[in-house]
Amino acid sequence: RKEVEQDPGPFNVPEGATVAFNCTYSNSASQSFFWYRQDCRKEPKLLMSVYSSGNEDGRFTAQLNRASQYISLLIRDSKLSDSATYLCVVTLNFGNEKLTFGTGTRLTIIP
Amino acid sequence: GAGVSQSPSNKVTEKGKDVELRCDPISGHTALYWYRQSLGQGLEFLIYFQGNSAPDKSGLPSDRFSAERTGGSVSTLTIQRTQQEDSAVYLCASSKGTSGGSTDTQYFGPGTRLTVL
Repeated sequence: RKEVEQDPGPFNVPEGATVAFNCTYSNSASQSFFWYRQDCRKEPKLLMSVYSSGNEDGRFTAQLNRASQYISLLIRDSKLSDSATYLCVVTLNFGNEKLTFGTGTRLTIIP
Repeated sequence: GAGVSQSPSNKVTEKGKDVELRCDPISGHTALYWYRQSLGQGLEFLIYFQGNSAPDKSGLPSDRFSAERTGGSVSTLTIQRTQQEDSAVYLCASSKGTSGGSTDTQYFGPGTRLTVL
């Protein structure tokens, strides 16, 4: 079983729609959780950290369910610029440790 | 300010040759990481340097892979006797290296795309 599992997609979503991605992780000792975004042939960039209380950044909302070992990302009012691959990432320490990546979920926003 | 830089951006080599990939982290960052991303695969951790501590080499796939970090700054990843399965994008990241429960963001360089013929 992979340490971090994501639905690879692709998700093809009309502009303005709401889309949600899910991710599960296998190591219950995982401490830190992130969503990274990766554009085609570019490096990954941190989108947001994920906290147990849930957190929101503009149109993006991230949730963590430790009991189910489940992380989610919700994008509201999707924009064409949201088209990218979204990577679910976990680590055993507070970021100061190797990142374990899911294979990513590919999102395409359709005009 | 300047981000993480890597060189070369692309490298094509023949099977059996050695290659060196370079990473310049963000100034002041004490932690440095190497990952690789193969076609259709997720990013895979290779090695991690934190200050003067012994590096975490747990992700290196074979003894043909090695890395060093000189003076706590620049790092070089060396692959000896390259094989076709080594073809991938090699990404370097750096972070401030904070500890004690605070989240430490890793910033990635643009990567080196290695092709082994």
